[in-house]
Amino acid sequence: AQSVTQPDIHITVSEGASLELRCNYSYGATPYLFWYVQSPGQGLQLLLKYFSGDTLVQGIKGFEAEFKRSQSSFNLRKPSVHWSDAAEYFCAVGAVGGSYIPTFGRGTSLIVHP
Amino acid sequence: DGGITQSPKYLFRKEGQNVTLSCEQNLNHDAMYWYRQDPGQGLRLIYYSQIVNDFQKGDIAEGYSVSREKKESFPLTVTSAQKNPTAFYLCASSPKTGTGPAFFGQGTRLTVV
Repeated sequence: AQSVTQPDIHITVSEGASLELRCNYSYGATPYLFWYVQSPGQGLQLLLKYFSGDTLVQGIKGFEAEFKRSQSSFNLRKPSVHWSDAAEYFCAVGAVGGSYIPTFGRGTSLIVHP
Repeated sequence: DGGITQSPKYLFRKEGQNVTLSCEQNLNHDAMYWYRQDPGQGLRLIYYSQIVNDFQKGDIAEGYSVSREKKESFPLTVTSAQKNPTAFYLCASSPKTGTGPAFFGQGTRLTVV
């Protein structure tokens, strides 16, 4: 079975600074990887996903993530954070093929200081 | 606009009562999902459905039931057998289950009083 770890419960950055949110997964074969964002009291929005191909994935809202098989990681990055990026971010991992359902991490809360 | 509608947004239930949460989508998606979210625990899968009249248990299905009589609708019933039902419930959909949840509803916050 797959599992995913988001090591940081909270991350605080200043507006305009760069951001990297960490995600590590455990799965024996090729994974599907996702990043979602959730604003307080709202549903989740899919930021980006990796299924195959180029290991650097571009998403919405200026986010990108890089799949590193050797490190079992799929970290989310943004070069310059805006105050509106303050939210909860979830990484998820699924199994390639079949009717898999991805497993979610516990989330990282992003706080943005002006 | 296409999307997922969950209702109600807030729901209060007395202990021992069953309650049904509504989830409707107009995205023409085959797959639908129900998740439970508790603080600091991420999302846990309750049930999912790949097609009309078919659904599968997720990791925490005990105390819950679902139906999928129409493609657009996937209601979740929280029964009195669910020991700790107070939580935030999220419905999601995707074109098929092999692609992961693509769209989420705004959620229903259930509180047992």
